[in-house]
Amino acid sequence: SQQGEEDPQALSIQEGENATMNCSYKTSINNLQWYRQNSGRGLVHLILIRSNEREKHSGRLRVTLDTSKKSSSLLITASRAADTASYFCATEKSRLIRSEKLVFGKGTKLTVNP
Amino acid sequence: DSGVTQTPKHLITATGQRVTLRCSPRSGDLSVYWYQQSLDQGLQFLIQYYNGEERAKGNILERFSAQQFPDLHSELNLSSLELGDSALYFCASSELLAGGFADTQYFGPGTRLTVL
Repeated sequence: SQQGEEDPQALSIQEGENATMNCSYKTSINNLQWYRQNSGRGLVHLILIRSNEREKHSGRLRVTLDTSKKSSSLLITASRAADTASYFCATEKSRLIRSEKLVFGKGTKLTVNP
Repeated sequence: DSGVTQTPKHLITATGQRVTLRCSPRSGDLSVYWYQQSLDQGLQFLIQYYNGEERAKGNILERFSAQQFPDLHSELNLSSLELGDSALYFCASSELLAGGFADTQYFGPGTRLTVL
């Protein structure tokens, strides 16, 4: 079963606009990661936020984490056509013995129109 | 380029056959993970190896097996293939951080398996 659920499933915006994607999860986590996947290609790691962090920035990316609501958001500012891709959140569950396996959501398909 | 390589890129085979997918992790990474991505199931964790030993198991079918060799490359063997096994198979690797835990996983480009 999916741990993370991204919302929305699909998002279409114009170049220059900001894109916000949300992820909700069910159990306690050690960390939450966001990945990007261009159509049929491999996943590219974007950013990792640990359970004791609330916000993290990387270039045009801003990730927030609210462990009380079990949710995270990914904001891409000043979007470009090249940002068109699917974005996945992945969580590593908190447990006594870590397995390090990632549980992925189904992704948000972002389309940035030129 | 993540530094993780996978071969082959594409594989087309028939039902009932057996295939082997290969993965070379990033230099220095001891952990290798296998994932399956299909349209209906999304990205599913299959299995993890650490320094040659199985460390975690996910939704891996009994018809599937994997191993990690002394040079740290890994192979995923899929046998008695069914139409439903058609998917993208990804390998990922990670380093070991202080405290013995791994975080960021770096993904290879994937192998697209088509079972006809």
